[in-house]
Amino acid sequence: LAKTTQPISMDSYEGQEVNITCSHNNIATNDYITWYQQFPSQGPRFIIQGYKTKVTNEVASLFIPADRKSSTLSLPRVSLSDTAVYYCLVGDFSNDYKLSFGAGTTVTVRA
Amino acid sequence: GAVVSQHPSWVICKSGTSVKIECRSLDFQATTMFWYRQFPKQSLMLMATSNEGSKATYEQGVEKDKFLINHASLTLSTLTVTSAHPEDSSFYICSARDPGGTRTDTQYFGPGTRLTVL
Repeated sequence: LAKTTQPISMDSYEGQEVNITCSHNNIATNDYITWYQQFPSQGPRFIIQGYKTKVTNEVASLFIPADRKSSTLSLPRVSLSDTAVYYCLVGDFSNDYKLSFGAGTTVTVRA
Repeated sequence: GAVVSQHPSWVICKSGTSVKIECRSLDFQATTMFWYRQFPKQSLMLMATSNEGSKATYEQGVEKDKFLINHASLTLSTLTVTSAHPEDSSFYICSARDPGGTRTDTQYFGPGTRLTVL
């Protein structure tokens, strides 16, 4: 599984857009990029997954440049309830489907 | 969406006792389940991969005789912490893979079990 690098923490205010960039220089051709969200004392929750270009769902957007060596999770108009740890994972998941979690980014949203 | 449950949500036990944690996929059949451990302020660490009807595969450094995993059916995997000690106190999380899911990885996580060993 490709190694990922994310900022340790980010602060924001309610209503702002939060962008978290994840570096994955060793991403392989078959690898997908997946983001999870985790609140304290809860299991991770799937946010979004993509392979290239842009993916958008009801909670976030994922931007992936052409070289796929990084990706950016965009959370529009955050609220206090978006305070959580966000994990970027990269892998093809076609073999044993094991997920390797990095340190994640702690996003703190203030009023 | 797919739901994974864990029981109990928290447990406190005395040192030396064994504790069993259940992980169930409620609305899908999970051929593969995973067990993670998470210490405070740290990330999730994969402990083992559990496949229905076969022995679990443990990650390096995880004692298979201490953390017994049984995946007897397509909807249930259990983790038993044998002879628990205070250093085993942690947050244990399971995930289940939905082979019929539309996403590439399609893993759904349980809510976690907080184990405290006194």
